[in-house]
Amino acid sequence: GAVVSQHPSRVICKSGTSVKIECRSLDFQATTMFWYRQFPKQSLMLMATSNEGSKATYEQGVEKDKFLINHASLTLSTLTVTSAHPEDSSFYICSAYTGLNEQFFGPGTRLTVL
Amino acid sequence: QKEVEQDPGPLSVPEGAIVSLNCTYSNSAFQYFMWYRQYSRKGPELLMYTYSSGNKEDGRFTAQVDKSSKYISLFIRDSQPSDSATYLCAMAMNRDDKIIFGKGTRLHILP
Repeated sequence: GAVVSQHPSRVICKSGTSVKIECRSLDFQATTMFWYRQFPKQSLMLMATSNEGSKATYEQGVEKDKFLINHASLTLSTLTVTSAHPEDSSFYICSAYTGLNEQFFGPGTRLTVL
Repeated sequence: QKEVEQDPGPLSVPEGAIVSLNCTYSNSAFQYFMWYRQYSRKGPELLMYTYSSGNKEDGRFTAQVDKSSKYISLFIRDSQPSDSATYLCAMAMNRDDKIIFGKGTRLHILP
């Protein structure tokens, strides 16, 4: 199956700093990538839909100025958590849509904000 | 009422038993139904997907969808300790539409 990677797998940062998370489709091109957030014992919640070359579409309640998404190429999307706070600590997962009716998930990035 | 309801468990069963996992949903517009497996601190992995009502079998896994009852199930036969994971049901109106996930059920298969 298609492979999606995320980097870093884990990050710990101080409150007020910004953190960038990369999502790459390794062996296919993805016109659309999705960013999810998962709190402990909770379901995956879609944060935004990222389309290559255009602005991301954010779900209701997600601050677009806090969670900056850039989908600069067909194989890379980045999520930047700006001025992170402890309540942003979560598991962030991306998925890539191949256009063949399949979504492939990355391994996730665990963010801890101290 | 939440769109997708799933008992979080944990569910513990002995090795070799048949496992039954299920979800209910409220939106009758859902057409595609998926089951994902997620190991601890990993991304979800698609196990099964079905369109509309009916059954689908893949090895030890069987997915059932009953749209009239808004109820979906995943059965695991001859369960193995390696099946221990969190199983998330998910659904969408179209296959490339936003996926709505259940909370996931934590499953423990006891050796």
